[in-house]
This record gives sequence, structure tokens and C-alpha cells, in this order.
Amino acid sequence: DTEVTQTPKHLVMGMTNKKSLKCEQHMGHRAMYWYKQKAKKPPELMFVYSYEKLSINESVPSRFSPECPNSSLLNLHLHALQPEDSALYLCASSQGPSFTDTQYFGPGTRLTVL
Amino acid sequence: AQKVTQAQTEISVVEKEDVTLDCVYETRDTTYYLFWYKQPPSGELVFLIRRNSFDEQNEISGRYSWNFQKSTSSFNFTITASQVVDSAVYFCALIFTGGGNKLTFGTGTQLKVEL
Repeated sequence: DTEVTQTPKHLVMGMTNKKSLKCEQHMGHRAMYWYKQKAKKPPELMFVYSYEKLSINESVPSRFSPECPNSSLLNLHLHALQPEDSALYLCASSQGPSFTDTQYFGPGTRLTVL
Repeated sequence: AQKVTQAQTEISVVEKEDVTLDCVYETRDTTYYLFWYKQPPSGELVFLIRRNSFDEQNEISGRYSWNFQKSTSSFNFTITASQVVDSAVYFCALIFTGGGNKLTFGTGTQLKVEL
């Protein structure tokens, strides 16, 4: 079973709000990822967690704050976002952090910032 | 530099037609993996196939087949007897030894299958 779940499916927030996106997997995977995807574009990597530690931050603005409370959970805390941050946010996981491991994606959260 | 090119932005076919999606990649690494993902309108990226650089065998899975040719740096995807449910954006992606876990995606091909 290669299932990654994400909540919520849709989120609308104002620029002064604080919200969080949640991602969960129960496949025993030890690497988890956040991607951002704008309309008609490919996904762009934001963060990688490897064994619950942040291993890659692709120079993402600090208004995005990732958190990995345990090996199954990945959160993305959002604060003071801009309208241009509106996008589909995809979570993925892989068995390990090696480039040889396939990344499996969740259904995404569609975020709209007003 | 690593790069994946999907020159076909959009393809429209009639149901039951065969269709081939092209993918050309660039990398200096000798060890790398290539992927195809499907993204239906719902948004989820669905993994279809992974192929490593040392395995040039073509693969068939039901109506799907993949042709990997290192000589032309291509990894093309063919859907036989297309169906409306195949309508989606298809991404080809590359990951290599020196790139950590970072997938390099092509720009995607929007496939529309009509009745």
C-alpha cells in the first residue's frame, strides 16, 4: 500500500492568518518531502526530511515552516503568506533518503491566499 | 546540468488511438533513475514507472509501455488503445547520484482523450 494522506484538501487563508498543512504516511518510510506546484508547472521541491531531520531546504522563505514530529507525520506551518503563495502543496515520502528510492505523492492541498 | 525536456505541451487523441509521450533528458551522471508520473485533474501525482540507467530493457504494463534508449537520452511512454481515464498531465522526471533526493521534472504533457 503506497498511500500518503494530506489534510486539508482545500484551504483558503488571509495574509495575516496562521494555518498548517498535514501529511501522513504509514508505510514506514524514513524520508518525507514538501513540494509546491503552481498551475501548469511541474512540482518544485521545498523541503526534505530524512530520519525526522531537515536535510534539504531549497531556500524557501521563512513564512513556510516545516516540522516532522515523528517518522509518520510531516507538517507545514504557514504564516503571513502572500497571494503568490497560492498553489497546490504536495507531500511525498520514500523508503529512505537515497536517490534510488521512489517518491510517492499524496493528493495535495490546494491553497488560496487572499 | 540536469534537464528533462517534454516537448509536447498538449496532445489530443480520440479514444482507442495509440499515443506516445516523449521525454528527453540530459545528465553527466552515469548512474541515474528516470520516472514517469501521472497527474489527473484531482492533483495527486501517481507513480507509474522507475527505470535505472543500467537497465535499458523496455517495459510493458497492460496498455502502458516504455522505451528507454540511452543512445538518444530518451525515455518515451506509449499508451495503447487510449481511454478517457488516461486524460491527465504526465511528467517525466530524473534523479541522479549527485542530486540528493531532488527530482528534476520535465514541464509535463497534457493528454486529452476524447470520445
